[in-house]
Amino acid sequence: QSVLTQPPSVSAAPGQKVTISCSGSSSNIGNNYVSWYQQLPGTAPKLLIYDNNKRPSGIPDRFSGSKSGTSATLGITGLQTGDEADYYCGTWDSSLSARVFGGGTKLTVL
Amino acid sequence: QVQLVQSGAEVKKPGASVKVSCKASGYTFTSYYMHWVRQAPGQGLEWMGIINPSGGSTSYAQKFQGRVTMTRDTSTSTVYMELSSLRSEDTAVYYCARGRHLDLWGRGTLVTVSS
Repeated sequence: QSVLTQPPSVSAAPGQKVTISCSGSSSNIGNNYVSWYQQLPGTAPKLLIYDNNKRPSGIPDRFSGSKSGTSATLGITGLQTGDEADYYCGTWDSSLSARVFGGGTKLTVL
Repeated sequence: QVQLVQSGAEVKKPGASVKVSCKASGYTFTSYYMHWVRQAPGQGLEWMGIINPSGGSTSYAQKFQGRVTMTRDTSTSTVYMELSSLRSEDTAVYYCARGRHLDLWGRGTLVTVSS
């Protein structure tokens, strides 16, 4: 059971937009920055978003992040088949003194 | 280039220990903390702990306290993660990942625990 809650799967058609939610509590998302990671099949995770809404260099602006209270959201616009991957949210949990992740969301681009 | 290179796959028997290495290059080794994260087959990401390569201080997830040891060698820019008393549930890919944002990941090391 993950500390952060994500939907197991989402799907949308190519070119469309999708959002992935990440729900936590005041000890994690509510008082700490959120990151998002993309894991393509058979590869290591890759940082997509950090500090709630910042993109590392090289990450296209089709990817966006936001946070409100104890929830965070990853948005992906202009979906491409290459976006099919597992997506994880992550943050620090001040009560656990540990980095925590969501259970992951599998994105299918139909 | 900036990268983390991990050691190769391991097969261990239950009760044994495994030590995985992660060699950093292309950046100042002591300027970034290093995390260890594992992923069991078909499962999500699980944080194991963190080490400060500068002073060597560590913090471990409660689940692994007493079983995991993270160390570093500044002369070779390498961090190590040793997990003891292995059981089948420890079969997973083990990743090292750099810094506050986990902005750089190794390719992972598959550890298989099987009798």
